[in-house]
Amino acid sequence: DAGVIQSPRHEVTEMGQEVTLRCKPISGHDYLFWYRQTMMRGLELLIYFNNNVPIDDSGMPEDRFSAKMPNASFSTLKIQPSEPRDSAVYFCASSLTGGGYGYTFGSGTRLTVV
Amino acid sequence: AQKITQTQPGMFVQEKEAVTLDCTYDTSDPSYGLFWYKQPSSGEMIFLIYQGSYDQQNATEGRYSLNFQKARKSANLVISASQLGDSAMYFCAMETSYDKVIFGPGTSLSVIP
Repeated sequence: DAGVIQSPRHEVTEMGQEVTLRCKPISGHDYLFWYRQTMMRGLELLIYFNNNVPIDDSGMPEDRFSAKMPNASFSTLKIQPSEPRDSAVYFCASSLTGGGYGYTFGSGTRLTVV
Repeated sequence: AQKITQTQPGMFVQEKEAVTLDCTYDTSDPSYGLFWYKQPSSGEMIFLIYQGSYDQQNATEGRYSLNFQKARKSANLVISASQLGDSAMYFCAMETSYDKVIFGPGTSLSVIP
């Protein structure tokens, strides 16, 4: 199994540009989670999906952030327009049952907005 | 409100010694799970150990054990026989009743040769 695959690994963009982060969960995992990690705020859950349906997006910081899961094997997190304070590492994780047991994280995308 | 607290921002341990990383949690859910993850400098998140709230015995995984004290709402991670490769950030986490997992702020562990 290839694990959770995120792309790109690194992204540098200018303020105001649209940024799209991608995630491919482990096949058969029904839950997908997007986290953001910063020094100041640690690991924050942004949104999670169950069977491609968004269940809780209360962690999405602003309307500039949106996430989709058009099918069981692909999810995107979009920031439009991006701002320097969005600079962080964004992790995607998937899980079979929803709980943390068996949670598998991707390698993360390090986003820098200049 | 559900919350994870890790009061040790940084810890040092001598190689081959044991170390305990503290974690306390707050939840009103009768059923929950507690986890520890390791994040080395390379950035990936590595699952270490899991403890269910109804598990009678403390979880163990190799050199890792979880000292679960339900009444005190603590779930400390014990690493025995520390190795240089154990130097990393360690996160305590809890799964909530809504299938979410929330994380503590982390403890940075440095193993000294």
